[in-house]
Amino acid sequence: GAVVSQHPSRVICKSGTSVKIECRSLDFQATTMFWYRQFPKQSLMLMATSNEGSKATYEQGVEKDKFLINHASLTLSTLTVTSAHPEDSSFYICSAGRGLAGGPGTDTQYFGPGTRLTVL
Amino acid sequence: AQKITQTQPGMFVQEKEAVTLDCTYDTSDPSYGLFWYKQPSSGEMIFLIYQGSYDQQNATEGRYSLNFQKARKSANLVISASQLGDSAMYFCAMREDDRGSTLGRLYFGRGTQLTVWP
Repeated sequence: GAVVSQHPSRVICKSGTSVKIECRSLDFQATTMFWYRQFPKQSLMLMATSNEGSKATYEQGVEKDKFLINHASLTLSTLTVTSAHPEDSSFYICSAGRGLAGGPGTDTQYFGPGTRLTVL
Repeated sequence: AQKITQTQPGMFVQEKEAVTLDCTYDTSDPSYGLFWYKQPSSGEMIFLIYQGSYDQQNATEGRYSLNFQKARKSANLVISASQLGDSAMYFCAMREDDRGSTLGRLYFGRGTQLTVWP
């Protein structure tokens, strides 16, 4: 199956610093990538949709200036948490949408392994 | 209104038995896709099975099958012959406009924590 990687898998940082998380599709080109946030024992919440070569589309309530998304190539999207604070501590997961292969509805989103961010 | 509802926060099943995880959905879009993902304690989301709204037959993938009842708007996951390694959180998800935009966002339920005991 398709492989999506995320780096780093874990990061601990001090309050006020910025953290960059990378999401890569390793064996396919992803025109669209999604960034989710997950709190302990809760569901995934979509933060933003990242389209290659254009601005990301943010969900309501997500601060664009705080969570900067860049999708510079068909295989890489980055999420930068700027001026991180303890309340930003969470599990961040990206997913990559694969193009049509085999007909409508047969493709799906493949998820990265996630990045656990802890802000002290 | 919730687009995906999973009413079972936790389920327990004995090894080798079958278990059904419930999922109901809400959409007015005639074209949609339903997904199940498994999330073990490591955190990764593992794709299990997909069902399109126009598919005539229920989807099956190995020990996983999706009991799709369109009129009831339910898409229950059935795991046959449970194994200890099946213990994980299971999420039901939906994507709308499945034929027009196959790369659309997913709406997730709250998840069901499945525990398989020996």
